[in-house]
Amino acid sequence: DVKVTQSSRYLVKRTGEKVFLECVQDMDHENMFWYRQDPGLGLRLIYFSYDVKMKEKGDIPEGYSVSREKKERFSLILESASTNQTSMYLCASGGEAGLPYEQYFGPGTRLTVT
Amino acid sequence: AQSVTQLDSQVPVFEEAPVELRCNYSSSVSVYLFWYVQYPNQGLQLLLKYLSGSTLVKGINGFEAEFNKSQTSFHLRKPSVHISDTAEYFCAVSDLRDGANNLFFGTGTRLTVIP
Repeated sequence: DVKVTQSSRYLVKRTGEKVFLECVQDMDHENMFWYRQDPGLGLRLIYFSYDVKMKEKGDIPEGYSVSREKKERFSLILESASTNQTSMYLCASGGEAGLPYEQYFGPGTRLTVT
Repeated sequence: AQSVTQLDSQVPVFEEAPVELRCNYSSSVSVYLFWYVQYPNQGLQLLLKYLSGSTLVKGINGFEAEFNKSQTSFHLRKPSVHISDTAEYFCAVSDLRDGANNLFFGTGTRLTVIP
């Protein structure tokens, strides 16, 4: 079974703190994604990566950055957390670029910024 | 870019009754469609997918969906729901035409099964 793990299920941070969300997949997938999920808005893509050290902006990249130093690991960074970044964050991974693959999701990290 | 519309944000249904969750997408030359389910406090799990071939697709837990190209729809159905089907359901479309394989998600439909 594909497994996507996220470093924390619940996280509480203060405004202005730097926040790291880690995601690891064990299926050698080329593609990895970070979404945020908010009620009534569905899933919105923050960043994605098609290869090591490669990153592309999604629909809502402002206030976020990412890092992919190894194929299996994709990190989301909030440089200076703000209250409007309180949300559920979901990481996903998928197969080869150029193919219509499904994405496999981690359990999510519920981040609260106070 | 693709867009996905899930017209019903909430659908209450009695146990053992049939259910249909609606999904419409914006038109594209080639399109690949997915339904995901999210149980409380969990990530998303794939229910079924349409890539090509038969327009009627069967998934896990007794769900099925029908791809209708002329109506640009991919509605999800189950003939008899169980309490355990209470969850949020997301329709998604993957568009290869824009050079990427990203999934575009609808805003979700919360299915509540009433005993």
